[in-house]
Amino acid sequence: ETGVTQSPTHLIKTRGQQVTLRCSSQSGHNTVSWYQQALGQGPQFIFQYYREEENGRGNFPPRFSGLQFPNYSSELNVNALELDDSALYLCASSFELATGELFFGEGSRLTVL
Amino acid sequence: RKEVEQDPGPFNVPEGATVAFNCTYSNSASQSFFWYRQDCRKEPKLLMSVYSSGNEDGRFTAQLNRASQYISLLIRDSKLSDSATYLCAVNSPGTYKYIFGTGTRLKVLA
Repeated sequence: ETGVTQSPTHLIKTRGQQVTLRCSSQSGHNTVSWYQQALGQGPQFIFQYYREEENGRGNFPPRFSGLQFPNYSSELNVNALELDDSALYLCASSFELATGELFFGEGSRLTVL
Repeated sequence: RKEVEQDPGPFNVPEGATVAFNCTYSNSASQSFFWYRQDCRKEPKLLMSVYSSGNEDGRFTAQLNRASQYISLLIRDSKLSDSATYLCAVNSPGTYKYIFGTGTRLKVLA
């Protein structure tokens, strides 16, 4: 196990609602990245947090936002949910900013109806 | 052209076979490359880094071809347990983000 935990594991929402997903990073890791993985696709980079600051963002609209807390845990918030937001949301922690050695949590599977 | 491309497969191979996957990347300035393994409905797990000189870990060998801008993963003596999707990850130059391919699905058959 990676030591990265995510909650909730599964959730169902309706269009227009808001969702908050949570991630606890592995001990000693100060960087958290969020990815969206649609069925049959590779993970798509949403954004990354390093020491509580957003440090890079992918091609996702502003309704995708996040936070990182002093203990390096993180939240992903999505407002005004759309059907296409249905996906597996993966949190990955790493021990430094530039490394590609990412340790993923089991993900939060979001279904938007 | 996609930034990172992989043949989605599936690659169906018998146990004991040798199989290789490629992953092409579009930005010649990329410097950092990784292979991940993802089992069905599970999270990706780091398999190995890809070094310029190539590297080997047991039955797995990863190589980088900068001239042709691709990385490869070779699996020797395939086991049933190797059945999974193999994702490549490439750094996006000038940023700290990593771009994943769509993955190549491998099925090892008894």
